[in-house]
Amino acid sequence: AQRVTQPEKLLSVFKGAPVELKCNYSYSGSPELFWYVQYSRQRLQLLLRHISRESIKGFTADLNKGETSFHLKKPFAQEEDSAMYYCALSGVNTGFQKLVFGTGTRLLVSP
Amino acid sequence: SQTIHQWPATLVQPVGSPLSLECTVEGTSNPNLYWYRQAAGRGLQLLFYSVGIGQISSEVPQNLSASRPQDRQFILSSKKLLLSDSGFYLCAWSATGYSTGELFFGEGSRLTVL
Repeated sequence: AQRVTQPEKLLSVFKGAPVELKCNYSYSGSPELFWYVQYSRQRLQLLLRHISRESIKGFTADLNKGETSFHLKKPFAQEEDSAMYYCALSGVNTGFQKLVFGTGTRLLVSP
Repeated sequence: SQTIHQWPATLVQPVGSPLSLECTVEGTSNPNLYWYRQAAGRGLQLLFYSVGIGQISSEVPQNLSASRPQDRQFILSSKKLLLSDSGFYLCAWSATGYSTGELFFGEGSRLTVL
């Protein structure tokens, strides 16, 4: 069965500090992993996907199949990064997106 | 451009009353449609998804049902609400074809059952 685990409900850091939001998954195949973000009073939206290997708003995430992890990282946190972050997983190329989400981590960046 | 609308934004209903939450998508054809429930500490739980008119798949047994009467309309319903149905419901759509992983979410509907 597909499962996504985000062990931290809340992560509080100071501006300029490094950030790592943890995500572990279980899936019996080749997964596709994603990070979604929900800023205050905004809709849930895609932040980045592992297949793109991109950096969005300074965030990166590397898929580690050995550790079954997809941690989200940013070297220097900004106050505007404060939001709810969800890690999500889907099966490879199913033709439609059936995403399994984690429980989410709230990131709070203080000045 | 594509947009997704969901209503009502908030709803307070007594136990045993019916429910109807509506979601419509504009600017795209034959989208995949989803209903998720967002609960504190439990993340986003997929309730229903649809790949076409009249095609509904249920992910979890529950007191709710979904219907897709038109290509871009998705409705979440209940005949008799339970206290446990309270929560924040999100509608979403994605494009058909090769999966990109991107779901586009509505603003959500907060349901309180008293």
